[in-house]
Amino acid sequence: GAGVSQSPRYKVAKRGQDVALRCDPISGHVSLFWYQQALGQGPEFLTYFQNEAQLDKSGLPSDRFFAERPEGSVSTLKIQRTQQEDSAVYLCASSPGLAGGYNEQFFGPGTRLTVL
Amino acid sequence: AQKVTQAQTEISVVEKEDVTLDCVYETRDTTYYLFWYKQPPSGELVFLIRRNSFDEQNEISGRYSWNFQKSTSSFNFTITASQVVDSAVYFCALEDSRTGGFKTIFGAGTRLFVKA
Repeated sequence: GAGVSQSPRYKVAKRGQDVALRCDPISGHVSLFWYQQALGQGPEFLTYFQNEAQLDKSGLPSDRFFAERPEGSVSTLKIQRTQQEDSAVYLCASSPGLAGGYNEQFFGPGTRLTVL
Repeated sequence: AQKVTQAQTEISVVEKEDVTLDCVYETRDTTYYLFWYKQPPSGELVFLIRRNSFDEQNEISGRYSWNFQKSTSSFNFTITASQVVDSAVYFCALEDSRTGGFKTIFGAGTRLFVKA
């Protein structure tokens, strides 16, 4: 069975460009999470979807960051007017049930974004 | 506020040595979940274990064991007879009911090097 996939795996953007990062969760998974992982750090929560509903976006660092999951499956994280501080690995995770400690998260390989 | 501290940034051991990775957490809630994830060089976080705050039994899974002590707010992870394949970054994480279960707080990780 396929795991969580993310594309592209690597993205280089010039400062000021917009980027879109895609996450394909495991089929049928209700919950989807986005995390940002800076070099040498642990993942930091960005946002959470339950099906198509974005229930928590408190971790998005600025209004330049926008995420959607319109049909409750594939999700896209968009970053507008990228800045150098946006350089990080963006991780997507999905979970079969509702968010909560009783459900483990399955992580994708991440997209490494480098902003020049 | 919730916090996870992994004081050991890097640990280097020789194959077959035992190694313990420390994790100390902070939460004001009485209901919470603790996790350990492994991040190999490929980048995907791999779930290792989940423990809820009401279950203080220690757990053993093959060469892996976990020691949960609420009195010291610690959830330490021991690898017995380490192998080169254990080389990875290991993250401890916390999720508590106060956040609604949407937000997982990760520690900064401990990088383990196992030398042959």
